[in-house]
Amino acid sequence: NAGVTQTPKFRILKIGQSMTLQCTQDMNHNYMYWYRQDPGMGLKLIYYSVGAGITDKGEVPNGYNVSRSTTEDFPLRLELAAPSQTSVYFCASSYGVNYEQYFGPGTRLTVT
Amino acid sequence: TQLLEQSPQFLSIQEGENLTVYCNSSSVFSSLQWYRQEPGEGPVLLVTVVTGGEVKKLKRLTFQFGDARKDSSLHITAAQPGDTGLYLCKDDKIIFGKGTRLHILP
Repeated sequence: NAGVTQTPKFRILKIGQSMTLQCTQDMNHNYMYWYRQDPGMGLKLIYYSVGAGITDKGEVPNGYNVSRSTTEDFPLRLELAAPSQTSVYFCASSYGVNYEQYFGPGTRLTVT
Repeated sequence: TQLLEQSPQFLSIQEGENLTVYCNSSSVFSSLQWYRQEPGEGPVLLVTVVTGGEVKKLKRLTFQFGDARKDSSLHITAAQPGDTGLYLCKDDKIIFGKGTRLHILP
């Protein structure tokens, strides 16, 4: 099993550009999450999903969109990138809300 | 909204010393999880505590869940440079604390 995979690993965007961060898990987990982590800080929840077709906002959803059309995939869309979105983005999945979260390796995004 | 307070925010100590970090809340939880994040990696689960008063040991790491299930502590004995990282606690839903950043000096 590959676990949770994320692409790309690194990306530089210009202000105003848009992009999609990909996240795939092969553990048949119901729950999937997107976090951002600013330098030296903890995790902030952007969006999460409890199953295909169901998504909900986390702590910092503004400027982002998600979809969950399959159990495996949970892409994160950035529209009109801003320098404040420079961060490391982690995707995670879990069997249920109170189960272990498995994290991907992260995507390091810089917006200039 | 449940809030998890972790303390201290930062801790830098010499190799071989002992330390304790805390995760506190005013809410009661059915369980708490501790994760460690090493530089450049995603967090990895260390332990889940589920019973009030429970103590779990993972080599030199000792985790305790408070009797009232509102708080938890992590004690490291004889810290080593490999213990360096960000220690995060998580509640029984989707909330992570802000973490304790630990740096062990050789």
